[in-house]
Amino acid sequence: KAGVTQTPRYLIKTRGQQVTLSCSPISGHRSVSWYQQTPGQGLQFLFEYFSETQRNKGNFPGRFSGRQFSNSRSEMNVSTLELGDSALYLCASSPLGQGVAPLHFGNGTRLTVT
Amino acid sequence: DAKTTQPPSMDCAEGRAANLPCNHSTISGNEYVYWYRQIHSQGPQYIIHGLKNNETNEMASLIITEDRKSSTLILPHATLRDTAVYYCIVRGYQTGANNLFFGTGTRLTVIP
Repeated sequence: KAGVTQTPRYLIKTRGQQVTLSCSPISGHRSVSWYQQTPGQGLQFLFEYFSETQRNKGNFPGRFSGRQFSNSRSEMNVSTLELGDSALYLCASSPLGQGVAPLHFGNGTRLTVT
Repeated sequence: DAKTTQPPSMDCAEGRAANLPCNHSTISGNEYVYWYRQIHSQGPQYIIHGLKNNETNEMASLIITEDRKSSTLILPHATLRDTAVYYCIVRGYQTGANNLFFGTGTRLTVIP
């Protein structure tokens, strides 16, 4: 089975721009979660989608949003980029929105905001 | 979810067993212990998880104390490729449990 795929791998944007990141979960997985990783704050939960619905949201401003499509693929969007949004954005998938099956992570999109 | 406490760093000689401890004294009855590791510039990699019994897979063994307040991840024969940050996480299985709290983890350095 192919793992979680995130595109693009690297991205450079300017302050004030917006960006869209893409995540394809493992085949058959219906839950997709997004995380932000920075040197100062570590790994922080952004939000989770299951069956095209946001199930859970972390403590991030409204500039961070996401969506999930009927094929379980997900995108996250960050509008009005700030320098502090520079981070590794990770996507993780699991079969369901609950249960003990572990989350499996992609290798992330590294976003640099200049 | 309960929080965990891990030592910030550990060294291990190549070929020896690496024993990584984790305290999770506030774990509740329906929470599992999960271990992930992250090699630089990659996403976290799932290693193993357990509820109360010891678990073993091709990567590692997980030993959970009887009171479930602590656990140890064992890499039986550490290699240089095992150098990574290891995260111990407790997680329930209810809806919304995919909000994982990673903490700062243990940076394991395997020394040749």
